[in-house]
Amino acid sequence: DIQLTQSPSFLSASVGDRVTITCRASQGISSYLAWYQQKPGKAPKLLIYAASTLQTGVPSRFSGSGSGTEFTLTISSLQPEDFATYYCQQLNSYPLTFGGGTKVEIK
Amino acid sequence: EVQLLESGGGLVQPGGSLRLSCAASGFTFSSHAMNWVRQAPGKGLEWVSAISGSGGGTYYADSVKGRFTISRDNSKKTLYLQMNSLRAEDTAVYYCAKSGPSNAFDIWGQGTVVTVTS
Repeated sequence: DIQLTQSPSFLSASVGDRVTITCRASQGISSYLAWYQQKPGKAPKLLIYAASTLQTGVPSRFSGSGSGTEFTLTISSLQPEDFATYYCQQLNSYPLTFGGGTKVEIK
Repeated sequence: EVQLLESGGGLVQPGGSLRLSCAASGFTFSSHAMNWVRQAPGKGLEWVSAISGSGGGTYYADSVKGRFTISRDNSKKTLYLQMNSLRAEDTAVYYCAKSGPSNAFDIWGQGTVVTVTS
């Protein structure tokens, strides 16, 4: 099974900060990676697919990069509504797996 | 409007069974693979199972293999998860999700709560 390791698991940041979250895969997954945002009590929301393609309707301050085993999600200027937990997911092979999550909180 | 609506969650004793349903609307249901994802209280997301658009291909996490069965009725636009031999560790919110671009999960239901306790 492919393991995904997200770092950091917790991040404290201020509005306007640039934030970067890393996701490392235990083996190469090409660009079969997605990023999701989840707020408390809500279903996850797709932000980015194919490692770097922004889902329709997602603000352009979100961006994704990487391929193979190392990927990043960047928020260029953190907004109040961005405080949430972020997950990466590999879609290269079954069983599909998620990273452990990164909780972004207000400093 | 594209929508997924889960139902069937509840309280069940260890060893019991439950069947979850997910009603789809607003898209061509039979053209898309579908998935179940769960989230235990205070924990992260765990993929549970997937089924192809035709229903001919099914996939499971090791944690549920042999106990859970995914199925779909394309005429009713409904996805199912039959859960047998339930354990306390199956307690979670269960989400259904549609496979979209590059198979990423672009549409999610609101979730249904399953609690396994004696």
